[in-house]
Amino acid sequence: DVKVTQSSRYLVKRTGEKVFLECVQDMDHENMFWYRQDPGLGLRLIYFSYDVKMKEKGDIPEGYSVSREKKERFSLILESASTNQTSMYLCASITPVGRVGTGELFFGEGSRLTVL
Amino acid sequence: GNSVTQMEGPVTLSEEAFLTINCTYTATGYPSLFWYVQYPGEGLQLLLKATKADDKGSNKGFEATYRKETTSFHLEKGSVQVSDSAVYFCALSDLNGGFKTIFGAGTRLFVKA
Repeated sequence: DVKVTQSSRYLVKRTGEKVFLECVQDMDHENMFWYRQDPGLGLRLIYFSYDVKMKEKGDIPEGYSVSREKKERFSLILESASTNQTSMYLCASITPVGRVGTGELFFGEGSRLTVL
Repeated sequence: GNSVTQMEGPVTLSEEAFLTINCTYTATGYPSLFWYVQYPGEGLQLLLKATKADDKGSNKGFEATYRKETTSFHLEKGSVQVSDSAVYFCALSDLNGGFKTIFGAGTRLFVKA
């Protein structure tokens, strides 16, 4: 069974702390994504990666960075957490079109971050 | 750029009622279209998909047809159940956009017994 695992379901951090959110997938997917989910705004793309050590900014990258040292692992980093980064963070990987897939995303269960 | 617009919720229905959640999109090229569902406390999972015009995706009694002429992908179910209570997201994925998936804002559905 395919699986995307996020390291922490719930985190509470203080303003200014450095936060690491980790994500691992076991499907050998090249493309991985970090989304942020907020009520009324849907999912917004923060960063994505299409290969090891490769990354591209999504729609809302400010205040975030990412790391992809191994194909299966994609980490989201908040260098200095702020209260407006309180949110649900979702990691996903994709089966690309043309490679036995149609662009379907596989999601982790999410990490709910509260910044005080 | 690409975008997805879906009807605002929440939508509240009684069990066995007919469900429609509207979704329209704007895209250059020929995207794949998806409906994802998020049950309480869980991540998103694929409900159904369609990859080209006039394709119909279906799963668990839900259906949606890829209408290029109206740029729509409305979700329907003939008879909802309490267990269908969830948040539903319409989405598109563009091959030419590096497989980035664009989501609508989500529609929360409550089904009463």
